[in-house]
Amino acid sequence: DIQMTQSPSSLSASVGDRVTITCRASQSISSYLNWYQQKPGKAPKLLIYAASSLQSGVPSRFSGSGSGTDFTLTISSLQPEDFATYYCQQSYSTPDTFGQGTRLEIK
Amino acid sequence: EVQLVESGGGLVKPGGSLRLSCAASGFTFSSYSMNWVRQAPGKGLEWVSSISSSSSYIYYADSVKGRFTISRDNAKNSLYLQMNSLRAEDTAVYYCARPKLNSPRAFDIWGQGTMVTVSS
Repeated sequence: DIQMTQSPSSLSASVGDRVTITCRASQSISSYLNWYQQKPGKAPKLLIYAASSLQSGVPSRFSGSGSGTDFTLTISSLQPEDFATYYCQQSYSTPDTFGQGTRLEIK
Repeated sequence: EVQLVESGGGLVKPGGSLRLSCAASGFTFSSYSMNWVRQAPGKGLEWVSSISSSSSYIYYADSVKGRFTISRDNAKNSLYLQMNSLRAEDTAVYYCARPKLNSPRAFDIWGQGTMVTVSS
């Protein structure tokens, strides 16, 4: 199975900050990398698919980049509603695997 | 409105069985593969199983293989997960999830989840 490792596991930031979360795959997954946001008690929400494509309806302050084994999710200017947990997911091969999550907290 | 609604969760004893359902609406269910993803309390996301649009291709996580069975009824716009020989480690919120049509297994539609608790 492909292992996905996110860093950091948690992050404190302020409204207006630029934030970057990284995700590393244990082997090359081309661009088959997706990012999700999850708030407490809610289902995950797709933000970015195929490494860099913005899901419809997602604010443009979210962006994704990378290919192969190293990927990043960037939030250009944090808004209050962005404080949540973020997960990466590889969809290159079955079983799909998720990163362990990055909890983004208010500083 | 595109929607997935899970049901069937509850409290079950170790070794017991439970059948989850996911009712789809607002889209052509028969055109999409479907998936189950679970999340143990306070933990991350774990993909459980997937089924192709015509049920020709079925996959399971090793952690549930031989115990869980995924199925679908396209005439009823419904997805199912039969869970047998349940263990404490199966305790989780179970989500059904639909992938984007043109991006393999990027899940753009999720249900609200149904809680399964395995405990004596």
